[in-house]
Amino acid sequence: RKEVEQDPGPFNVPEGATVAFNCTYSNSASQSFFWYRQDCRKEPKLLMSVYSSGNEDGRFTAQLNRASQYISLLIRDSKLSDSATYLCVALSGSARQLTFGSGTQLTVLP
Amino acid sequence: DGGITQSPKYLFRKEGQNVTLSCEQNLNHDAMYWYRQDPGQGLRLIYYSQIVNDFQKGDIAEGYSVSREKKESFPLTVTSAQKNPTAFYLCASTGIVTYTEAFFGQGTRLTVV
Repeated sequence: RKEVEQDPGPFNVPEGATVAFNCTYSNSASQSFFWYRQDCRKEPKLLMSVYSSGNEDGRFTAQLNRASQYISLLIRDSKLSDSATYLCVALSGSARQLTFGSGTQLTVLP
Repeated sequence: DGGITQSPKYLFRKEGQNVTLSCEQNLNHDAMYWYRQDPGQGLRLIYYSQIVNDFQKGDIAEGYSVSREKKESFPLTVTSAQKNPTAFYLCASTGIVTYTEAFFGQGTRLTVV
C-alpha cells in the first residue's frame, strides 16, 4: 500500500463547477500536510498547507481528519487556469520525510 | 531573494557516463530532498538529508549517489549504474518547524542520448 494515496483521476469538469480531491495517508507519524499544484513540465508549487481545523483560501478549502487519516481539497467555481495536477503531500515529523501522492489531474473545460 | 536553484535546466548524457545535478538553497533549510518524476507519474524519492554529512536512501536510490558537505548544497550524481536515467529531477528543501512547506527548484530534465 502506498503511504499517500490519491484519487487517480483524471477529473474533467466544466468552468464554474465544484470539484473535490481526496487523499489518505498511512503513516500515523505524519504531522504536516500540504496540497501542491504542478503544471505540465514544471516544478510543484505550494497551493495550501492543511491544518487540523481546516482552512480556506478564496475558492480553495482544505480539510484534515487525523482520526481517519484523510485529507481533502475542495475547489469552488473552477477556472480554466485551475487545470493542473494536484499533489497531496505528507511530512513526517521526526524523519522530516516528504511523501507525495501520485497526483490527480484536473482539466477545467470551457 | 531566498530560494532553491537547480542547474542545469537541461542535461544530455551519453550512456555509461556519470553526471552530477546541482541543487543549492539559501533558505537556511536543514532538510533537502531529491525526487525523480517520469512522464505522467508522481514524484519518487531518491535520497534525502536532514543534516550536513548525513543522508538516507529513498525508494529508488539504486544508481544514484549524493553528498551533503554544506547545508546549502545537495548535489545528486546519476551514475552509469542507473539503467533508465531519462527523467525530470526535482530538488526540494524544508525547514524543521512544523507546517514548513517544501520549496522546489525548477528541475533538471536529464536525457540519455
